Amino acid sequence: GDSVTQMEGPVTLSEEAFLTINCTYTATGYPSLFWYVQYPGEGLQLLLKATKADDKGSNKGFEATYRKETTSFHLEKGSVQVSDSAVYFCALSDSVNYGGSQGNLIFGKGTKLSVKP
Amino acid sequence: DAGVTQSPTHLIKTRGQQVTLRCSPKSGHDTVSWYQQALGQGPQFIFQYYEEEERQRGNFPDRFSGHQFPNYSSELNVNALLLGDSALYLCASSLTEGASYNSPLHFGNGTRLTVT
Repeated sequence: GDSVTQMEGPVTLSEEAFLTINCTYTATGYPSLFWYVQYPGEGLQLLLKATKADDKGSNKGFEATYRKETTSFHLEKGSVQVSDSAVYFCALSDSVNYGGSQGNLIFGKGTKLSVKP
Repeated sequence: DAGVTQSPTHLIKTRGQQVTLRCSPKSGHDTVSWYQQALGQGPQFIFQYYEEEERQRGNFPDRFSGHQFPNYSSELNVNALLLGDSALYLCASSLTEGASYNSPLHFGNGTRLTVT
């Protein structure tokens, strides 16, 4: 079945460092890909998404490119801040949608990021 | 504009008991999905409700059941609780009717269930 694999954490960086969190996926169809972020004590928030190959999602300085040839969707940010400390989840949605609503989201295990001042 | 609200925030139950968790979707949303997030893991899809019916279901036993009400709010019921049911239960809402492609999920802050 479909699955998502992301790099193990925790990741600890100094403020203004470059961030990469690797994510690869396995899917039989043409999934949409997502990055969600979970701040301590809160629910998940959508960070960015890409719905087809070569799309680049971006938000709040984060970006990720949908690479079909390498089945990857790596998250990057050029200069992290202390406020970026959170758990980041890569996820995919199968291509079957009901109306406009996302179907079943399949998540990776999450990568905890800690940014030190 | 209120987002997704879940109640209660924390709950402690004994093995074998039954539990009901509640979710109110974001205003304007008509679809509710439930996820289970075990400690240190990513969320796992339990099921999704639309028009008061279960539309999709993940790989969870029949002990997990749900309901959606005419106002789009939803309940998740778990019977015969096991220790392994201890987790954060997340509700997410979205829009189906009239939505653009890939209407995003909006998550609540979750209910932390501890089974002892």
